Amino acid sequence: DTGVSQDPRHKITKRGQNVTFRCDPISEHNRLYWYRQTLGQGPEFLTYFQNEAQLEKSRLLSDRFSAERPKGSFSTLEIQRTEQGDSAMYLCASTPTRGYTFGSGTRLTVV
Amino acid sequence: AQSVTQPDIHITVSEGASLELRCNYSYGATPYLFWYVQSPGQGLQLLLKYFSGDTLVQGIKGFEAEFKRSQSSFNLRKPSVHWSDAAEYFCAVDPDDNYGQNFVFGPGTRLSVLP
Repeated sequence: DTGVSQDPRHKITKRGQNVTFRCDPISEHNRLYWYRQTLGQGPEFLTYFQNEAQLEKSRLLSDRFSAERPKGSFSTLEIQRTEQGDSAMYLCASTPTRGYTFGSGTRLTVV
Repeated sequence: AQSVTQPDIHITVSEGASLELRCNYSYGATPYLFWYVQSPGQGLQLLLKYFSGDTLVQGIKGFEAEFKRSQSSFNLRKPSVHWSDAAEYFCAVDPDDNYGQNFVFGPGTRLSVLP
């Protein structure tokens, strides 16, 4: 296992389209997190899973955003009807208890 | 309100010089403290963390950080910077060891290294 994998690395989409990102955590990590990072800022928490249960959601996660983690393994983050303000790096992280391991992120550009 | 500040947006040092990156937090009690590094286009890598005990914490890549309760600070240091240290550095705090939405990152300090 080489770490947390995210796919795709880059995504360019037109405003109004739907996009889906995938995160594969380290296999033995039961917690999985999604963060959003805009240019010049630190990552901001979006949501968090303990196994397959989504335990916390940030106010940043509008109704257009949905995340799933079926069977407590990989996770997907979907953004519907994308807006230009959604352009950001979307980071996934996993942890057994303490200490995140981050993926390399998916950079979304909405044009 | 809870907050994490990194007063320096951008720092430039010469290779071989010493480095100190500042981090201050605003919480009622001592939180759990972290430093992460992010190279361009990459995810974040944990450098070190402080939970309790010795206030001087050693991390990877020759970095260390000192927790000062009286100053609510957790500054990152390195005695001799290498060109490969050029990156963005983020201080982060977790007030309740929950790794949830209260885990907050600072805005980051970008480090440039001159040859």
